[in-house]
Amino acid sequence: KNEVEQSPQNLTAQEGEFITINCSYSVGISALHWLQQHPGGGIVSLFMLSSGKKKHGRLIATINIQEKHSSLHITASHPRDSAVYICAGDDKIIFGKGTRLHILP
Amino acid sequence: KAGVTQTPRYLIKTRGQQVTLSCSPISGHRSVSWYQQTPGQGLQFLFEYFSETQRNKGNFPGRFSGRQFSNSRSEMNVSTLELGDSALYLCASSLVGPSYEQYFGPGTRLTVT
Repeated sequence: KNEVEQSPQNLTAQEGEFITINCSYSVGISALHWLQQHPGGGIVSLFMLSSGKKKHGRLIATINIQEKHSSLHITASHPRDSAVYICAGDDKIIFGKGTRLHILP
Repeated sequence: KAGVTQTPRYLIKTRGQQVTLSCSPISGHRSVSWYQQTPGQGLQFLFEYFSETQRNKGNFPGRFSGRQFSNSRSEMNVSTLELGDSALYLCASSLVGPSYEQYFGPGTRLTVT
C-alpha cells in the first residue's frame, strides 16, 4: 500500500465546476506539498501546508494533520487548470501517484 | 533570473551503458534534489545535495549516484543501465531545502533500449 494515496486518479469536469482532489497519508509528516504538472513535464510547487488552509487565487488547500488528510480545491475551474496534481510529504520524499484533471470548455 | 536548467533534454541509451545528467540550479540556490518519474511509479525521490554534501537519499540501487559541485551545479549518474531506468529525471533547486520553495527543471527524458 502506498504511503500517500490520492483520489480520484482521473477527473474530467466542465469549465466552471468546483474541483476537489484528496490526499491521504499513512505516515507521520509535518508538512504536505501540492504540485502541479502540466503536459510536457514542467512541475510547479503550489502550496506547502503544515496546518489549516492556504489560498492562492482560485486554488485552496487544506490539511488536517491529525486525520492525515489534505484536499486541494479549485474554484471556477478553467481549461488551463488541466494538469496532473501531485501531493508530497515533508521533504518531498514520498509522493502520491497524482490526479489527472481535465477541464472541458 | 534564469530558471533551473537540465541537460540534455532527451537521451537514448542502450542497456548496460552509463549516463550522466546535469542540473544547473537557480543562482544562489544551494539545495539540489533529483527525482525519477515513470508512468507506473510516479515521482520518486533519488537524492538531495546541499553545499556539495548528500543530505538524503531515496531507495534506489547503488547504480544511481550523484554529486554537487562548489558552484551548486549537480550531476547524477546511472551506471549499467536497465530498461526500467527509462524515465523522466527531474531536478529541483531551493535556497535551503526541498521543504521550502523549490523550483523544478524541465527534466531529462531518458530512454533505454
